[in-house]
Amino acid sequence: GAVVSQHPSWVICKSGTSVKIECRSLDFQATTMFWYRQFPKQSLMLMATSNEGSKATYEQGVEKDKFLINHASLTLSTLTVTSAHPEDSSFYICSAFRRTSGSNEQFFGPGTRLTVL
Amino acid sequence: AQSVTQLDSQVPVFEEAPVELRCNYSSSVSVYLFWYVQYPNQGLQLLLKYLSGSTLVKGINGFEAEFNKSQTSFHLRKPSVHISDTAEYFCAVSERAAGNKLTFGGGTRVLVKP
Repeated sequence: GAVVSQHPSWVICKSGTSVKIECRSLDFQATTMFWYRQFPKQSLMLMATSNEGSKATYEQGVEKDKFLINHASLTLSTLTVTSAHPEDSSFYICSAFRRTSGSNEQFFGPGTRLTVL
Repeated sequence: AQSVTQLDSQVPVFEEAPVELRCNYSSSVSVYLFWYVQYPNQGLQLLLKYLSGSTLVKGINGFEAEFNKSQTSFHLRKPSVHISDTAEYFCAVSERAAGNKLTFGGGTRVLVKP
């Protein structure tokens, strides 16, 4: 159990266009999901916390108008990169938080590689 | 705020040899500690975690880690590595009282040589 999917797995787009990335928890409900960004050979940087039914909480330095996050249901969060530019090219990873009586854990999606030309 | 330092960016190791990946953290409050593995072009998989109790934690794939509060460390070890252990390893912490946000270390790339 505890599978998280992302779609698409990779996307190439032209500069100035917008790209939407979906993150789904397939077999559990997640009131909280997280979006990370990872540059080549670097660590994961938290971009924002996505809360079902409320506005996302963005980390310092992340432009909320550029990276739109919607958490419309308990199993789906979307990240839209608006007016993408080459510097937005990166590996985007989401995670879904599952709270249980035994332990709490984040389950990670497989990532989406975005290339902006 | 907390921070995580992984002291080795790369660790080459021969197959069947032991490996240790070092992780030190800094936090003013109690934390949970995690080790994740990332294979190329994939997401992260949890290897093990320390929440409380015994300081020696055993995880999947033969990995274990020891929490040392006085040295603020959480080093990862495996007594005998396989070629399939070639991957990137991340240490992470989350503050117990501050929700579930993870702060990651810079990562350690393990290259297992035959």
